[in-house]
Amino acid sequence: DVKVTQSSRYLVKRTGEKVFLECVQDMDHENMFWYRQDPGLGLRLIYFSYDVKMKEKGDIPEGYSVSREKKERFSLILESASTNQTSMYLCASKFSSSGRDNEQFFGPGTRLTVL
Amino acid sequence: GENVEQHPSTLSVQEGDSAVIKCTYSDSASNYFPWYKQELGKGPQLIIDIRSNVGEKKDQRIAVTLNKTAKHFSLHITETQPEDSAVYFCAATPFRTSYDKVIFGPGTSLSVIP
Repeated sequence: DVKVTQSSRYLVKRTGEKVFLECVQDMDHENMFWYRQDPGLGLRLIYFSYDVKMKEKGDIPEGYSVSREKKERFSLILESASTNQTSMYLCASKFSSSGRDNEQFFGPGTRLTVL
Repeated sequence: GENVEQHPSTLSVQEGDSAVIKCTYSDSASNYFPWYKQELGKGPQLIIDIRSNVGEKKDQRIAVTLNKTAKHFSLHITETQPEDSAVYFCAATPFRTSYDKVIFGPGTSLSVIP
């Protein structure tokens, strides 16, 4: 079974703190993604990475950065957390081919609260 | 860019009844349409998908239909069971390259009443 794990299920941080969200996958997937999930807005893509050390901005990259130093690990960084970044953060991974393996595998999510 | 709308936002059905969730998309280049189910406390999981060269696909109690001309697609769940209660997301993407993004709809919260 594909497994995508996220470092924390719940996280509480203060405004201005630097926050690291870690994601690890064990299926040798090339592509990895960070989404945030808010009620009524669905899943919005923050950043994605199609290979080690490669990254692309998603639809809402402002206030976030990412790091992909190893194939299995994709980190989301909030340089200076703000209250409007309180959300559920979901990591996902998939194979790079646009063939049959299009499925994205999601982690369980990290519920981040910024006070 | 692609925009995906999804209706209804919430849906309650009696156990055994059918449930239908409808989505529309804007980018005519989209050719792959997955549906994800998110149970409480878990990440979304793919339940069925359809490509643009197919009009309908079934997997046991779940079916998806696609109308490319009208740019809409639907999820049909028959004989609903309490374990079908979850949030369902439709999505669309052109999937021409690895860089093509998957755009998700806002989600439908389905409640199956025993």
